[in-house]
Amino acid sequence: NAGVTQTPKFQVLKTGQSMTLQCAQDMNHEYMSWYRQDPGMGLRLIHYSVGAGITDQGEVPNGYNVSRSTTEDFPLRLLSAAPSQTSVYFCASSYRDGAYEQYFGPGTRLTVT
Amino acid sequence: QQQVKQSPQSLIVQKGGISIINCAYENTAFDYFPWYQQFPGKGPALLIAIRPDVSEKKEGRFTISFNKSAKQFSLHIMDSQPGDSATYFCAAGWGKLQFGAGTQVVVTP
Repeated sequence: NAGVTQTPKFQVLKTGQSMTLQCAQDMNHEYMSWYRQDPGMGLRLIHYSVGAGITDQGEVPNGYNVSRSTTEDFPLRLLSAAPSQTSVYFCASSYRDGAYEQYFGPGTRLTVT
Repeated sequence: QQQVKQSPQSLIVQKGGISIINCAYENTAFDYFPWYQQFPGKGPALLIAIRPDVSEKKEGRFTISFNKSAKQFSLHIMDSQPGDSATYFCAAGWGKLQFGAGTQVVVTP
C-alpha cells in the first residue's frame, strides 16, 4: 500500500493564480481531510469529507474548495492564491470519522509570492 | 481561538532523561486525545492515543496521563533517545481533530 500520497511536493505560485493540490489514498478510508501547518499554529483543518460526495468546512476554509467524487481522491483547490496561503499542506485519511488513527501524506510546501 | 493549548513550545533533554509535554483543552465533548510525532520534512504520524475513560496509557517509553476534571493531558517520554528528536503535537476531538501548536523536542547525546 502506498498509503496517502500528495502531489506536488513543492509549488510556487504568484498572487491570483489558481492550482489544485492532489491527494489520494489506497486504504479504502471513508474519512479524508486537509490541514495547513504554519509555525506556532499547529495543524488547522481546512476541509474534510466523510465519504464520496460529502464534504464540509473545517476551521479555516476561506479561499479553498474541495470535492470528493471517489473514495480514493480528495483534491484541494486554491481559487485565487494569496500570500497568506503560503504554508505546508497535509492531506490525511482515516477509516471513519471518529476515534481512528489519521494517516498523513508527506505534505506540499506552497509559496505564494 | 485555539481550543487545545500545548506547552512548552520547545524543550531540550539529555539522552536518558524524561521529556514532558502538557496540553489543555476546553471542549468537554472531546472524546479522543491522540499524540502525533513529526520528523522534519515528513507528515505527522500517530504515536499514542487515549480515550477519557482511562487516566493513563503506556506504550513502550511513551505514556499519556489524562486528567478529565482538569481538562488536561500530558505526554511523558521516558529514557529519551536522540531518535526521539521531533515535533510532537497533541490533539483532541472526535474525527475532526483540534491540534495543539506543537513542541519541538531535542534530545542531546
